[in-house]
Amino acid sequence: QSALTQPASVSGSPGQSITISCTGTSSDVGAYNYVSWYQQHPGKAPKLMIYDVSTRPSGVSDRFSGSKSGNTASLTISGLQAEDEAEYYCSSYTSSNSLVFGGGTKLTVL
Amino acid sequence: QLQLQESGPGLVKPSETLSLTCIVSGGSISSSSFYWGWIRQPPGKGLEWIGSIFYSGSTYYNPSLKSRVTMSLDTSKKQFSLKLTSVTAADTAVYYCARLYCSGANCFATRPHLDVWGKGTTVTVSA
Repeated sequence: QSALTQPASVSGSPGQSITISCTGTSSDVGAYNYVSWYQQHPGKAPKLMIYDVSTRPSGVSDRFSGSKSGNTASLTISGLQAEDEAEYYCSSYTSSNSLVFGGGTKLTVL
Repeated sequence: QLQLQESGPGLVKPSETLSLTCIVSGGSISSSSFYWGWIRQPPGKGLEWIGSIFYSGSTYYNPSLKSRVTMSLDTSKKQFSLKLTSVTAADTAVYYCARLYCSGANCFATRPHLDVWGKGTTVTVSA
């Protein structure tokens, strides 16, 4: 299975909004509303930020939102804060009864 | 609060078998709403799902690793394990265990997402 495609890096200034894309195929992202997003700070374990495309777990800021159109899912972070600087990974369930991750996107807060 | 803790050798020789265990505390390992899984991250690289196991023993594995992976679960000890055979340097990574939430009769195929993670353990494959 091929990894989902994410931009290697994105950046934004405090207070701005950024969007990270995650492109898959009709066998994963396009086929199911089971896309999730994870935030990972250096040296730490990933943290679930979004699941089922757009649902936030309890305790996750409402500045984080998710959406999907066709084979591409997106994570939007509004009101950027310094603490949002991290690596972000998308993941999707696939028609092969497996999970696949994206390659990761490094978010830099300028 | 549910916590997961990985344990196992930090160094494995090439061609040998990597064995890790994840201990579950603060919650049940036998719930029908969860699978239990392993994910790894090579140095400086992204996440890779290895596989997941249900308390009944049902498993799903990454197709690219399936021939070398075996997962097992012990409900009495509240732990689950990973064995990866014939390791090479490419298997050097931080290995995470995680809880996979899902729902419905066909649980793994319905709303799967990794909601609780262990801190990870570093495994180096080297002679």
